[in-house]
Amino acid sequence: ETGVTQTPRHLVMGMTNKKSLKCEQHLGHNAMYWYKQSAKKPLELMFVYSLEERVENNSVPSRFSPECPNSSHLFLHLHTLQPEDSALYLCASSPTGLDYNEQFFGPGTRLTVL
Amino acid sequence: AQSVSQHNHHVILSEAASLELGCNYSYGGTVNLFWYVQYPGQHLQLLLKYFSGDPLVKGIKGFEAEFIKSKFSFNLRKPSVQWSDTAEYFCAVNARGSGYSTLTFGKGTMLLVSP
Repeated sequence: ETGVTQTPRHLVMGMTNKKSLKCEQHLGHNAMYWYKQSAKKPLELMFVYSLEERVENNSVPSRFSPECPNSSHLFLHLHTLQPEDSALYLCASSPTGLDYNEQFFGPGTRLTVL
Repeated sequence: AQSVSQHNHHVILSEAASLELGCNYSYGGTVNLFWYVQYPGQHLQLLLKYFSGDPLVKGIKGFEAEFIKSKFSFNLRKPSVQWSDTAEYFCAVNARGSGYSTLTFGKGTMLLVSP
């Protein structure tokens, strides 16, 4: 499989559930990203990992917890979410260190919080 | 911090019409600029990018964009659109020298091309 994959593609969860989103990239990149895409709002960068180290955290609530065990995998652990957290969550990857690099996006996980 | 403004949220054109989508950014320093496209049911993918050199950038599928530094603009153009160009288009910017590729996106413009 090539590119950036995300699982699951759709997720419905209650406010008390704990779930995880998974992202995997097969491009040999060393930087990975989580974005949130809500209706009528721009894509919002949530987290950046470079060489498996978190380098940016854009004031994201602690109910979202990222994990990057290696350069190919990225997780987003979810717990006690709110209905306003319902959105499309996109993962992306890019080569490390160069700010003009293209980011490659996955298909996203459509999350609904009841 | 940088911000991006896309002028139109929805654009409807007939095939063969010319396209121009506006994008303005706000940032005091040097930037890299990108246009991404999301076709129905597909991933976001890069259309074109500017980081230095000729301010007129050519991308895939006949698209081009012109960086006008004095206007803080990076408008996307195509002389003759096709039905297959129906998609959502996103302008994005990152600050030069930030060390890694973090992007600030505009809200997107949904383009519908009627056959």
